[in-house]
Amino acid sequence: DVKVTQSSRYLVKRTGEKVFLECVQDMDHENMFWYRQDPGLGLRLIYFSYDVKMKEKGDIPEGYSVSREKKERFSLILESASTNQTSMYLCASSLGGDNEKLFFGSGTQLSVL
Amino acid sequence: QQQVKQSPQSLIVQKGGISIINCAYENTAFDYFPWYQQFPGKGPALLIAIRPDVSEKKEGRFTISFNKSAKQFSLHIMDSQPGDSATYFCAASADFGNEKLTFGTGTRLTIIP
Repeated sequence: DVKVTQSSRYLVKRTGEKVFLECVQDMDHENMFWYRQDPGLGLRLIYFSYDVKMKEKGDIPEGYSVSREKKERFSLILESASTNQTSMYLCASSLGGDNEKLFFGSGTQLSVL
Repeated sequence: QQQVKQSPQSLIVQKGGISIINCAYENTAFDYFPWYQQFPGKGPALLIAIRPDVSEKKEGRFTISFNKSAKQFSLHIMDSQPGDSATYFCAASADFGNEKLTFGTGTRLTIIP
């Protein structure tokens, strides 16, 4: 089975801190994604990557950046955390090509105080 | 702009009953419609998916019904069980799923004995 591992289950940070959320997948998937999940808003795409060192903006990229230096690892960076970035962050990967199935990690609940 | 509208927000169904969750979309370029199931503390997982060349797809107790002219699709869970209690997300994408997924806002389903 594909495993998508997110480094932290819960994270508490202060306003203005730089925050790194790490995600690793173990099945050599081409595509990786970062979503945030908020009650009543569903899942919204922040950034995605189709290849190493490539990144594309999703629907809500403001206040975030990403890094993909290795195929298996996709990092989400909050340059200066704000309280409105308190959310559940979900990483996902997919094989690519004609295989669209997303495999999600268990999520990181980030609280910014 | 909500491109995929999902209803209801929450649903309570008696054990053995039929659970129905509806989604409507606006983008006529969408051609891949998956449903994801999420249990508490876990990431979403692909449940079932359909393409617009068929009007219905069934996998066990789960059925997707698709109405292209109305731009609507729905998930039916027959003989609902307590183990089906979860949050369900519909989603849609274009280019046979090679474009990014747009998710609905989610439905929290509770099956009561």
